[in-house]
Parts: sequence; C-alpha cells; structure tokens
Amino acid sequence: EIVLTQSPASLSLSPGERATLSCRASQSISTFLGWYQQKPGQAPRLLIYDASNRATGIPARFSGSGSETDFTLTISSLEPEDFAVYYCHQRSNWPFAFGGGTKVEIK
Amino acid sequence: QVQLQESGLGLVKPSETLSLTCTVSGGFVSGTYYWSWIRQSPGKGLEWIGYIYSSGSTKYNPSLKSRVTISMDTSKDQFSLKVTSLTAADTAVYYCARDVWLGNLYYGLDVWGQGTTVAVSS
Repeated sequence: EIVLTQSPASLSLSPGERATLSCRASQSISTFLGWYQQKPGQAPRLLIYDASNRATGIPARFSGSGSETDFTLTISSLEPEDFAVYYCHQRSNWPFAFGGGTKVEIK
Repeated sequence: QVQLQESGLGLVKPSETLSLTCTVSGGFVSGTYYWSWIRQSPGKGLEWIGYIYSSGSTKYNPSLKSRVTISMDTSKDQFSLKVTSLTAADTAVYYCARDVWLGNLYYGLDVWGQGTTVAVSS
C-alpha cells in the first residue's frame, strides 16, 4: 500500500507570499498524482491532475511539479481565498490514497 | 455541467447497514468514468472507499472490502454505497466523486458531491 506523506503539516504565511507544499510517496507513482484544496464545510476541489496540469478554471498561480516519489504544489502569490487545507492523492496503485494534508494559514 | 448529490440517512445504529445514493445530473453514469465513494473522518483523513466503473466492475478498499458494496442504476443515473456492520469508526462525511482516467492519463477527481454526514450511534 502506497503512503503519501505531506509536509509541512501547517504553513503560516501572509497574502502575497509564496507557498511551497511537498508530497512524498512511499514508492514510485509516476505522475499519477492530484492536488486538492479543501475549505471548511466544503468538498475537496481539484487543482492539479497528473502532477503538473491545472484543472479547468484554476488560476495560474497554482502549479504542480514532480514525478516518481517527490511532488510539489506551489502557490506563487497567496490570495486571501487560498488559505485552506491542501491534499495530494495518488492514483497509481490500489488502494488509491490521500496524504494527510497541509493547512495553509494566514500569518 | 455535471453535478453529484448524495442522499441517505445521516444517523445509523451500530451493527446496522449504511445506504447512500449519489445522483448524477447534467451527465450520464454510463460514461467512461470511475464513480467513487470517499469518506473523511477526523481520525483517518480522506479515505477512498471504492469505485464502480461504467461497465459495472467494482474495486473496494481492503480496509473495508468485506463490508462494502457499490452498485449502479443507469436508468436513474445513480450509483449507491452500502456498508454493513457499522461501528463508531464509520462515522464520517461521505462524498461521491467522479474519477477520470482516459487512455493512460489521469485527469483527477474532477466532480464531487457536497458530502453527507453519517453518524453511527445508538
């Protein structure tokens, strides 16, 4: 079973700053990785698919990179609406799994 | 625009069976998608329960496998989840979602229901 480890668990930043979130897989998953944003009381929302492709309607400030076991989600300049929890998710091996999440908080 | 909506009882007694339905609107459940159930609890985070492909084939998480059944009703554009022998550990928000895998490219869980809270309590 593949385990995804996200770091850091939380990140305290100010609007306008750059956020860098990490997701590490316990074994290679090629690029079968997605990133999701979740706000309180809402379902997760797809941001990035196949490790580096922005989903429809997602602003260009969100970018994904990586392959095999190491992946990064970057938010180039935080907007007020970006403060949320971010999850990575692998779809390489069953059971598909999510990371534990990174909470991006306002400093 | 495809939308998903979960429905079902929110309070279930221990040892009983949870039944949830996800209704697909603006699209068809018979498309080439993996229709999935995912749950979220404070203790275990997001957990993929299983999926049903448009052909009717299913896959279940081994952590729940013997207790889970996912089925589909193409005439109603719905898919359903049943979880038997419930315990307090099954208390969670349950989401239905569309998983898109085409060719050899993964497009992600691109559509989610709003989620329904299920509490297991006597």
